[in-house]
Formats: sequence, C-alpha cells, structure tokens
Amino acid sequence: NAGVTQTPKFRVLKTGQSMTLLCAQDMNHEYMYWYRQDPGMGLRLIHYSVGEGTTAKGEVPDGYNVSRLKKQNFLLGLESAAPSQTSVYFCASSYTWTGYGEAFFGQGTRLTVV
Amino acid sequence: DAKTTQPTSMDCAEGRAANLPCNHSTISGNEYVYWYRQIHSQGPQYIIHGLKNNETNEMASLIITEDRKSSTLILPHATLRDTAVYYCIVRAKTTQGGSEKLVFGKGMKLTVNP
Repeated sequence: NAGVTQTPKFRVLKTGQSMTLLCAQDMNHEYMYWYRQDPGMGLRLIHYSVGEGTTAKGEVPDGYNVSRLKKQNFLLGLESAAPSQTSVYFCASSYTWTGYGEAFFGQGTRLTVV
Repeated sequence: DAKTTQPTSMDCAEGRAANLPCNHSTISGNEYVYWYRQIHSQGPQYIIHGLKNNETNEMASLIITEDRKSSTLILPHATLRDTAVYYCIVRAKTTQGGSEKLVFGKGMKLTVNP
C-alpha cells in the first residue's frame, strides 16, 4: 500500500517554463489537496478536490491550475513558473466525513524556479 | 472552520510529558479538533482528533475543555523524535459531508531536549 505518492521529488525550472506535479493515492479517497510550504511558514492550501471531475480554489490559487480526471490522481500545473513559486509542494488525500477525517500526505516536491 | 491559536514554540525535556496547548474559542458544535505534526521537511502526519470527550491513542492524548474553547495535546513521554511542528486544526463534520477544506496555520515548534 503506497499511500500518497508525489512525482517528481525535486525539480528545477527556469522562469516562464511550465510543469505538472502528479499526486497519486491508492486509498480510494474522495478528497485531495495541494499545499505549498515556504521557509518558516505553515502549509497554505492552493487547490483542492472533493471528487473526480471537481476542483476548488484554496487560499493561494493564483498561478496554479489543477485537474482531477481520475479519482486516484490530482495534478497541479504551473503554466508559467515564477521565482515566487519556489517552494515545497505537498499533496494530501482524505476520506469524506462519513467515518474518518484524517488526511494522508505525500513526501513533498521541492521546486526551485530560477 | 474556526480559527486556532497556538504558541510559536515550546521546549520539553526528553522523557517528560509535553503539553501542547491550542485555543479555538470560536469553535462550533459540529467541529472536531485535529492534531497533525510535521517532522523536518516530511509530509505532515495525523496524530489524533476529538469532539468533546478526551481521546487517547498510541501516539498521544487529547484533552478538550468542557466549553471546547481550548484543548491540549499530551505526549506522555517525549523523545527526541517528537521534535516537530505541531498543527492544531478545527474542522466541521456533518452527516452530509463537512468542510472540504483542510486549512493549516503556522503551527507550534516543539523541541525536545536531551
């Protein structure tokens, strides 16, 4: 049971380049989340999804797009990377509220934009 | 979801109990208190949650005051490996689903000293 897997783990981008971060979960969770974490800061919610085909904005959505075409995958896209998007990105998933509430996190993607 | 307030940091001696406070004075009746922790740069890890009764699991105990406006996470015998950032979160639960967002604050850094 892999849990939540993020791909890639590290990436260096040049300003203006695009990329997609992949989050995959094998726990049949409905909810999935993307966060960013900057030095000395807590986690800030970028976008989230409450089910296949749905997405919603979080606290800091600007500059990012997401898609949830399959229940097990949640993709985070950067269309034109900026140095301000240098951060560690975490993905998480959780059940709905019928019985469980804890979220499971991936190990993070460290992104540097130069 | 209600907002939480935690101290910025706290120290604890190894082997002693660590009592981590959290204020959530605006918590509503259907909101649970959740605790997560983040060790080094890893993804956050679920610890425990509760509604109004005290809860205990293999990792920690959660004490919620009778008015539910504050809670304390207790690590009964802190070890060096418990050094981490601890996040206190409140989140609603309803029979039809709850608050889909999972929003973290800055958390509290616990340092366990030898």
